[in-house]
Amino acid sequence: AQSVTQLGSHVSVSEGALVLLRCNYSSSVPPYLFWYVQYPNQGLQLLLKYTSAATLVKGINGFEAEFKKSETSFHLTKPSAHMSDAAEYFCAVSLTGGGNKLTFGTGTQLKVEL
Amino acid sequence: NAGVTQTPKFQVLKTGQSMTLQCAQDMNHNSMYWYRQDPGMGLRLIYYSASEGTTDKGEVPNGYNVSRLNKREFSLRLESAAPSQTSVYFCASSEGTSLSEQYFGPGTRLTVT
Repeated sequence: AQSVTQLGSHVSVSEGALVLLRCNYSSSVPPYLFWYVQYPNQGLQLLLKYTSAATLVKGINGFEAEFKKSETSFHLTKPSAHMSDAAEYFCAVSLTGGGNKLTFGTGTQLKVEL
Repeated sequence: NAGVTQTPKFQVLKTGQSMTLQCAQDMNHNSMYWYRQDPGMGLRLIYYSASEGTTDKGEVPNGYNVSRLNKREFSLRLESAAPSQTSVYFCASSEGTSLSEQYFGPGTRLTVT
């Protein structure tokens, strides 16, 4: 069975600082990995996904994530935080050939301060 | 193009009452999903429908039933609501492959007293 672990339920950064949100996965087969973002009182929307084509994946709003098999990680980064980045971020995994069932992490709430 | 729509947005039930949450998508997607979101627990899959005419249990199916009415619509029914079912419920849809993006509705906030 696959799973993801997000370290840090709350992360606070200053505007303009680096954003780093951590995600580690556990999977017995090559996984597909996703980052979703949830703004207050809204549904989730896709930020980016890893599909084995490239280990560094670029997404929307300046976010990117790097797949590191040796560390079983897929951390999300953004060089410079904006106030508008304040939201909850979820890492998720699906299995090759497993249809489209996603297993989500518990989420990380990002706060951006002036 | 409305994407994924859910009704109602808010609902308060008493213990033992029943209700159906409605979900529809206009993207011609094969697969549809119901999740619940609880603080500190992320999203957990209740039921999903890989294609029209099929439904399968997810991680937390107890106390729920679903109907894939047609390709567009996927409803979630609580037969006898319990306080433990107080949650925010999200419907999602996707093309259904392992790579597919899931598109989420705006959610239904349910309180069971």
